[in-house]
Amino acid sequence: DADVTQTPRNRITKTGKRIMLECSQTKGHDRMYWYRQDPGLGLRLIYYSFDVKDINKGEISDGYSVSRQAQAKFSLSLESAIPNQTALYFCATSDSGTPGPEKLFFGSGTQLSVL
Amino acid sequence: QKEVEQNSGPLSVPEGAIASLNCTYSDRVSQSFFWYRQYSGKSPELIMSIYSNGDKEDGRFTAQLNKASQYVSLLIRDSQPSDSATYLCAVNPNAGKSTFGDGTTLTVKP
Repeated sequence: DADVTQTPRNRITKTGKRIMLECSQTKGHDRMYWYRQDPGLGLRLIYYSFDVKDINKGEISDGYSVSRQAQAKFSLSLESAIPNQTALYFCATSDSGTPGPEKLFFGSGTQLSVL
Repeated sequence: QKEVEQNSGPLSVPEGAIASLNCTYSDRVSQSFFWYRQYSGKSPELIMSIYSNGDKEDGRFTAQLNKASQYVSLLIRDSQPSDSATYLCAVNPNAGKSTFGDGTTLTVKP
């Protein structure tokens, strides 16, 4: 099945470390997103990319960077992790070519803990 | 004011009852509206989308949109224990950039 795959599923790291979360998709979608979810809260947009050459900041991009290596791959980096970046991270995709409301398809999430 | 506000939970209903979930949004130019269901520890999955005023029905689910009041709701008829989850309202003012509410946790008691 066409899918959105995130790696790793869980990650524990220490303050100050650089880490990368990876996302790949086989849906053929052009748009990819990184969201963050904190307990009891909804999803907040970190970065989004409408195609390989288009990268945009979301509402909470400070402390994060991204790379769109190919249409199917979108990675999120924390240059110097801090404890308040402990959260559940979701990658999502959407297809701008599909008629109607543009819905998101999510990966399984990466639980990140920064000690 | 948050861009997307959902009624605070948790919401508890007995099995077979109607569950009503509400959402208001602040950006009047919003075009598309979504309800995602998220089971504990899982990723959100889309259950309903709506972009025209009125009601849209899909099985036991009905989404209602009132753009004048900037209000979206989700009704779940004949609620089942398997409907117990957090429901996220999402609003899409710009193509592809959905903004989410904090979610309402629904518990359906047998």
